[in-house]
Amino acid sequence: NAGVTQTPKFRVLKTGQSMTLLCAQDMNHEYMYWYRQDPGMGLRLIHYSVGEGTTAKGEVPDGYNVSRLKKQNFLLGLESAAPSQTSVYFCASSTGGGSYEQYFGPGTRLTVT
Amino acid sequence: GENVEQHPSTLSVQEGDSAVIKCTYSDSASNYFPWYKQELGKRPQLIIDIRSNVGEKKDQRIAVTLNKTAKHFSLHITETQPEDSAVYFCAAPVNSGNTPLVFGKGTRLSVIA
Repeated sequence: NAGVTQTPKFRVLKTGQSMTLLCAQDMNHEYMYWYRQDPGMGLRLIHYSVGEGTTAKGEVPDGYNVSRLKKQNFLLGLESAAPSQTSVYFCASSTGGGSYEQYFGPGTRLTVT
Repeated sequence: GENVEQHPSTLSVQEGDSAVIKCTYSDSASNYFPWYKQELGKRPQLIIDIRSNVGEKKDQRIAVTLNKTAKHFSLHITETQPEDSAVYFCAAPVNSGNTPLVFGKGTRLSVIA
């Protein structure tokens, strides 16, 4: 099993450009999450999904959109990137919600100039 | 919603000594408290968790204690080794049940040989 994978691993964007981060999991998990990690700020939840076709906002959703068209994939979109979105983005998945272990992907380092 | 405070933000210990990291939470309905370890450049991984029906859980050199009355839980690492050097995150569900986790801001542990 590959577990949770993320594409791409690194990306540099100019302000105003758009991009999509792809998360894929092969563990048949219902729940998927997108976090951003900034120095000293821990892991902050952007959006999450409790199943195929569903999405919900987390703590810091502004400037991001998500889609979960297939159970195994969770896409994070930035429509107009801003320097404040420079961060490391982690995807995670779990069997259930808050009381289940989350399995994280390797992360995507995004720099917006 | 849940608020999770984690202390200290940095911790240095001599190899062989013990390390303790403490987290407090705000929602008395929270019932699941995991700890994640993130090595430099790697993804977070679950190392131990505790549910609200027990007060302590051990796994070799690591243990977690929970005080529901005071709404705090702690990670204890005994006989620390250089490979314990990492960032440790505590977390708690936003509410009880299948809701996302809120993570603390992390503790950077350095074990000095």
